Amino acid sequence: AQSVTQLDSQVPVFEEAPVELRCNYSSSVSVYLFWYVQYPNQGLQLLLKYLSGSTLVKSINGFEAEFNKSQTSFHLRKPSVHISDTAEYFCAVSVRSATNKLIFGTGTLLAVQP
Amino acid sequence: DAGVTQSPTHLIKTRGQQVTLRCSPKSGHDTVSWYQQALGQGPQFIFQYYEEEERQRGNFPDRFSGHQFPNYSSELNVNALLLGDSALYLCASSGLAGTYNEQFFGPGTRLTVL
Repeated sequence: AQSVTQLDSQVPVFEEAPVELRCNYSSSVSVYLFWYVQYPNQGLQLLLKYLSGSTLVKSINGFEAEFNKSQTSFHLRKPSVHISDTAEYFCAVSVRSATNKLIFGTGTLLAVQP
Repeated sequence: DAGVTQSPTHLIKTRGQQVTLRCSPKSGHDTVSWYQQALGQGPQFIFQYYEEEERQRGNFPDRFSGHQFPNYSSELNVNALLLGDSALYLCASSGLAGTYNEQFFGPGTRLTVL
């Protein structure tokens, strides 16, 4: 079975400061890795994904995540956050199989303060 | 493209009642998955429908059932509602193109059981 651990339930940070949201996963088989963002009272939006190739993946709004197979991690980083980045961030995995079922972590609330 | 749509937006039911939630997938998608997101938790996979059949099921009781129609839209039915069924129910659709079938999420239906 697969599992995803997000140890930080909430990360407070000041505007323009860097941030890292941690994600570790457990799986005996190869997985795809994802970060989703959820703004208040909204559904999930895909932020970025790792399927194969370069282990560093980037989003259009400045976030990046690096797949580390030896540490089974997929931490999300941003060098300078904005107030508008305040949201819940979910890390997820999907087994490389016929179905694309997602297994999510419990989420991290990124709270950006002015 | 309207994206994934869900109805209703909000729903209030009492214990023991039955509820039906509806989902229309993104244009061109033929696979629908349902997730339950309890307050403060990550989404949990309920089941996935493809070609009008349940292809995979998560760890949910038989009170949770679904259906997919020939136009790929889907329903989630929950019988004998419990207080613990209160949650945001998310629908996600995906297609067959590419090496991985990315899931696109709808805005969700907020179910409150009193």
